[in-house]
Amino acid sequence: NAGVTQTPKFRVLKTGQSMTLLCAQDMNHEYMYWYRQDPGMGLRLIHYSVGEGTTAKGEVPDGYNVSRLKKQNFLLGLESAAPSQTSVYFCASSYSNLAGHTEAFFGQGTRLTVV
Amino acid sequence: TQLLEQSPQFLSIQEGENLTVYCNSSSVFSSLQWYRQEPGEGPVLLVTVVTGGEVKKLKRLTFQFGDARKDSSLHITAAQPGDTGLYLCAGAGYGGSQGNLIFGKGTKLSVKP
Repeated sequence: NAGVTQTPKFRVLKTGQSMTLLCAQDMNHEYMYWYRQDPGMGLRLIHYSVGEGTTAKGEVPDGYNVSRLKKQNFLLGLESAAPSQTSVYFCASSYSNLAGHTEAFFGQGTRLTVV
Repeated sequence: TQLLEQSPQFLSIQEGENLTVYCNSSSVFSSLQWYRQEPGEGPVLLVTVVTGGEVKKLKRLTFQFGDARKDSSLHITAAQPGDTGLYLCAGAGYGGSQGNLIFGKGTKLSVKP
């Protein structure tokens, strides 16, 4: 059972470089999310999607863009990486709206370092 | 903005001890979830509490949702080294939170043999 798969697992970028993080889920979930986790800050929502072709901003969207062209994939892009974007990034998916008490399934994370 | 405050932030105990982790907010949540995260992994759901005053048990773990649905606690009885990890509470709010989860900063638990 693959669940939520994130690619890559580790990456080092130079300031100003761009990259895309890929998230794929095989559970046919409508909702997908990108979080970042920093020491002492918990998990903070970057962007989310409530269905194919839709995206919305979360708590900390600046410096990131997302796309949901296919239901199973949610891409997170960094156009010009900054050291402040050094973090562990988690993708998650859920069957329905989380206010409906549904479970969020998380990927294993991508550890990104921007130097 | 809805905030969830978790305490303590760090907890180091000996095997066999009991402990309680708290998750507090000034806001009302439609439900509260507890996740456990191991190093190098994503969070995994332990439990969802929905009704004010609700108590759920998962082996040695007891979860309680406050009567006013603003707070929750996690109690572990006779902790074991396998309980070591980061415990996160997450609230699902009403309306303006877009149905997303708001996470506390987590409690890092270390249980020594």
